[in-house]
Amino acid sequence: DVKVTQSSRYLVKRTGEKVFLECVQDMDHENMFWYRQDPGLGLRLIYFSYDVKMKEKGDIPEGYSVSREKKERFSLILESASTNQTSMYLCASTVAGGDNEQFFGPGTRLTVL
Amino acid sequence: SQKIEQNSEALNIQEGKTATLTCNYTNYSPAYLQWYRQDPGRGPVFLLLIRENEKEKRKERLKVTFDTTLKQSLFHITASQPADSATYLCARDSNYQLIWGAGTKLIIKP
Repeated sequence: DVKVTQSSRYLVKRTGEKVFLECVQDMDHENMFWYRQDPGLGLRLIYFSYDVKMKEKGDIPEGYSVSREKKERFSLILESASTNQTSMYLCASTVAGGDNEQFFGPGTRLTVL
Repeated sequence: SQKIEQNSEALNIQEGKTATLTCNYTNYSPAYLQWYRQDPGRGPVFLLLIRENEKEKRKERLKVTFDTTLKQSLFHITASQPADSATYLCARDSNYQLIWGAGTKLIIKP
């Protein structure tokens, strides 16, 4: 059974803390994505990666960074968490060259106090 | 800029009836549109993809249409069941990314 897993389902952090969200996929997909989802706004792309050590900014990269040291793992980093980063974070992966059918993890609900 | 618009109001349907959800896009026609289902607290799950040159696609009780004149896709669930209650998301291609609608919440009442 193919899977995308995320390190935490729920996370509570304080303003200014450094936050790491991890995503692992077992499908040998080349492309991986980080989104945030807020009510009424839909999924917004933060960063994506099309290969190991490669990354591209999405629509809302400010305040975030990413790391992809291995093909199966894509990490999202909040350098200094702020209350406006309270959100649902979703990781997805997809095979390169296909129709971009995305496989999602269960999501991490992050609350920044 | 390209946008995907879905009805933000929840859709209430009686069990057994056909539920129809709408997805409208702006600007040029996408090469394809995708539909996903999302349950509360979960990630979206891919359901169907329809290409620009396809008028209609079916999968079991699901049917999707693509009308390039109206710039619209319709998503139908026939013989709806309470288990079909979820939020349904529409997405269009944009280079190597997807642009997402905010989703429509579907509630099937027994």
